[in-house]
Amino acid sequence: SAVISQKPSRDICQRGTSLTIQCQVDSQVTMMFWYRQQPGQSLTLIATANQGSEATYESGFVIDKFPISRPNLTFSTLTVSNMSPEDSSIYLCSVEESRGETQYFGPGTRLLVL
Amino acid sequence: KNQVEQSPQSLIILEGKNCTLQCNYTVSPFSNLRWYKQDTGRGPVSLTIMTFSENTKSNGRYTATLDADTKQSSLHITASQLSDSASYICVVSASGTYKYIFGTGTRLKVLA
Repeated sequence: SAVISQKPSRDICQRGTSLTIQCQVDSQVTMMFWYRQQPGQSLTLIATANQGSEATYESGFVIDKFPISRPNLTFSTLTVSNMSPEDSSIYLCSVEESRGETQYFGPGTRLLVL
Repeated sequence: KNQVEQSPQSLIILEGKNCTLQCNYTVSPFSNLRWYKQDTGRGPVSLTIMTFSENTKSNGRYTATLDADTKQSSLHITASQLSDSASYICVVSASGTYKYIFGTGTRLKVLA
C-alpha cells in the first residue's frame, strides 16, 4: 500500500494570498489526483497530475486558480491562488495503484481563508 | 448523468448493534465500486472494492454487497464499535477512465 503525506496539515490564510500544498508518496506512482472536500460534502476531483505533462483539470477548476506541479513520480504540489473564503476546504492528494485495485488518500490539508 | 446516491445521510446506533448503509448508482459503463471510511479530519481509507462479477466482499466486520443488475450496493457493519463512528463513502468508477464518482456519504455515529 502507498503511504501519502501532506504538508501543511492545516493553515489559516488571509484573503488574496496563495498557499502551496505538498504531497509526498513513499513509492513511484504514475497518476496523482487532487481533490477538494468542502464542509459536509463529499470529494470533488480538481485535477489529475501526471509526471512530465500538464495536469488535466475538471470542469469548474482552472490552472490559474489551482496550478499543479508534478516534478517526479513521488511528489506533487497544488497551489490555491488568490484565496477567498469560498476556498475554505479540505484538500486531499490521492494515488492509485498501478493495477487500479485501490485508491489511497493523504490525510488532507485543512484550509481556512479569512 | 453519472451519479452515486447514498442513504441514509446520517445514522445513530448503539454500540454492539448492526447497521446497513445503502448506495445506488447510475454510472455506466461500470468498472468497480468501493466503500471508504473517513474519520473526521482524515483522508478516506478503503474498506472494500468490488468488480462487476463480485456480489459480496468482507473486511472484518464490514461486508459489502453489490447487485449490478439493480445498480445497488450496501455496506453492513456487524457488532458496531465506537471507532466505527465516521463517514462512509461509496465510490463508483467507470470503465476506461480514471474518473471516480463519489457519493455524499453516510455519517455514522455509534453511541456507548
